[in-house]
Amino acid sequence: SQTIHQWPATLVQPVGSPLSLECTVEGTSNPNLYWYRQAAGRGLQLLFYSVGIGQISSEVPQNLSASRPQDRQFILSSKKLLLSDSGFYLCAWVGLKQFFGPGTRLTVL
Amino acid sequence: GQNIDQPTEMTATEGAIVQINCTYQTSGFNGLFWYQQHAGEAPTFLSYNVLDGLEEKGRFSSFLSRSKGYSYLLLKELQMKDSASYLCAVRDPSKNYGGSQGNLIFGKGTKLSVKP
Repeated sequence: SQTIHQWPATLVQPVGSPLSLECTVEGTSNPNLYWYRQAAGRGLQLLFYSVGIGQISSEVPQNLSASRPQDRQFILSSKKLLLSDSGFYLCAWVGLKQFFGPGTRLTVL
Repeated sequence: GQNIDQPTEMTATEGAIVQINCTYQTSGFNGLFWYQQHAGEAPTFLSYNVLDGLEEKGRFSSFLSRSKGYSYLLLKELQMKDSASYLCAVRDPSKNYGGSQGNLIFGKGTKLSVKP
């Protein structure tokens, strides 16, 4: 079965600082991987999806970027964080069903 | 457009039965999912319906009517640990990202509080 890892679990960063969140998947090859953000009191917002190494598509224009350097690794980044980037970031593996990683809670101060 | 509607909050009593409704309007349909999300945690998969009818899994059941754009999640013998948000999501094949069967469109979730 597939296992999704995310780190760090929590992160507090100042405005203007860089960001790197990592997601890795075990138990599957060539997975479709997604990044979501869940802001307080709001629904899940799809940020990026990737169908393979080096292949990234963005759903909404924003201050973030994503990369897929390896088959089972998906990274979310920012050069300069904004207050509005605060939220709960979830990596998801998408097959017939969709499973989420444990998430990273990011607070930008 | 895409729209998934579910009640914002519900309250129920321990041991009782609760039904959480979800209505949807999407360009296409390729399955409906229910997830449970405890506060501060990631959503966990509960159920998947692609055909009309009732799917039962222990204390949880999920129903789908494609013609009505309607689903419900039924929780029986409620326990305190069932207090959580329940997310309804529809897979829309018109939102097909690179070989997957379609992207999931999520509702905003229903926060269920179970009281003693």
